[in-house]
Amino acid sequence: GAGVSQSPSNKVTEKGKDVELRCDPISGHTALYWYRQRLGQGLEFLIYFQGNSAPDKSGLPSDRFSAERTGESVSTLTIQRTQQEDSAVYLCASSLGTGSMNTEAFFGQGTRLTVV
Amino acid sequence: QQQVKQSPQSLIVQKGGISIINCAYENTAFDYFPWYQQFPGKGPALLIAIRPDVSEKKEGRFTISFNKSAKQFSLHIMDSQPGDSATYFCAAKTSGTYKYIFGTGTRLKVLA
Repeated sequence: GAGVSQSPSNKVTEKGKDVELRCDPISGHTALYWYRQRLGQGLEFLIYFQGNSAPDKSGLPSDRFSAERTGESVSTLTIQRTQQEDSAVYLCASSLGTGSMNTEAFFGQGTRLTVV
Repeated sequence: QQQVKQSPQSLIVQKGGISIINCAYENTAFDYFPWYQQFPGKGPALLIAIRPDVSEKKEGRFTISFNKSAKQFSLHIMDSQPGDSATYFCAAKTSGTYKYIFGTGTRLKVLA
């Protein structure tokens, strides 16, 4: 696609429910990131996928959070048993790779998650 | 050591003025310093980036100044316009790695 696409753009869920957020990266981008942006705060790294390598899950805040990616395409971020503190904008980004000449990360518009 | 400290948190500038946002880092292994611009409801978009082998990079009205010895870099927006009103994030990264470390953001408002 022309850019990174995320869906849904907005999600309101009840506390305790599970949610699934989707990211379609730019075609050909082997690297995919998920970040969390709480209101008025910076971007918090969650997880990174690079090709077929094992993902770096070091930023996931709890075992309620998980993410998957099929090959070099779509990724889903799943939050189980949502809590109010999970309310944030979840941003997905993709890039060509980690080499010094192609490090620009392109972000999607984000999914605004509200847990009530 | 992985942090990037950004200031100010918010900034109000008159149209035509200069907007200056500062960032400081500790990790000397960082060698790629991008600035991202984010409009409400949108994802961040790369604005301009610099590597530590140069002290300044200019693209139109946007300039990054880099001070390697002080481990600081700043974004200057010349002739600021109301359309520049957005949140700006600095970031840092090491080549060959993937994890961007972002500053906490600066909300810029340019008054017409």
